[in-house]
Amino acid sequence: KAGVTQTPRYLIKTRGQQVTLSCSPISGHRSVSWYQQTPGQGLQFLFEYFSETQRNKGNFPGRFSGRQFSNSRSEMNVSTLELGDSALYLCASSLVSRSTDTQYFGPGTRLTVL
Amino acid sequence: GENVEQHPSTLSVQEGDSAVIKCTYSDSASNYFPWYKQELGKRPQLIIDIRSNVGEKKDQRIAVTLNKTAKHFSLHITETQPEDSAVYFCAAGDSNYQLIWGAGTKLIIKP
Repeated sequence: KAGVTQTPRYLIKTRGQQVTLSCSPISGHRSVSWYQQTPGQGLQFLFEYFSETQRNKGNFPGRFSGRQFSNSRSEMNVSTLELGDSALYLCASSLVSRSTDTQYFGPGTRLTVL
Repeated sequence: GENVEQHPSTLSVQEGDSAVIKCTYSDSASNYFPWYKQELGKRPQLIIDIRSNVGEKKDQRIAVTLNKTAKHFSLHITETQPEDSAVYFCAAGDSNYQLIWGAGTKLIIKP
């Protein structure tokens, strides 16, 4: 079974721009979660999607948004980029819920904001 | 709000010794407790998990114990090896889709 994939793997943007990241979950998994990881900051939860609906949201500004498609693939968007948005963005898929099932993480998208 | 405290933030042990990482949670509704390992430059991976109806679970050199009364759970690694060097994250989840993460423990195995 293919693992979780994320595209692109690396991105360089400038302040004020917007960016869209993509995540393809493991086949059959319906839950997709997104995390931001910066050095020494652990895993900061952004949001979780299930059946095209946002089920949970972390403590991030409205510039961070996401969506999920009918095939469970998910995208996240960050608008009006700030220097502090530079981070590794990880997505993870699970069968039904991140809070009761194993999460399988993708390799991440490393975003650099200049 | 709900939180998970993880200690220590850094743990250095001699190769072959045991390592213990502890987490305390606040949400009494939590019933799922996974542990993830993240090696340098790699993605987090589940190494072991435990549910609230079990007090202990083992998988080779790794074990997790859960004390629901005290609301804490611990990861035990015996006979540590260089490949155990990583950051370990604990988490506590419930049936209302909440999953709270610990801040992580950097485990260093000294040769």
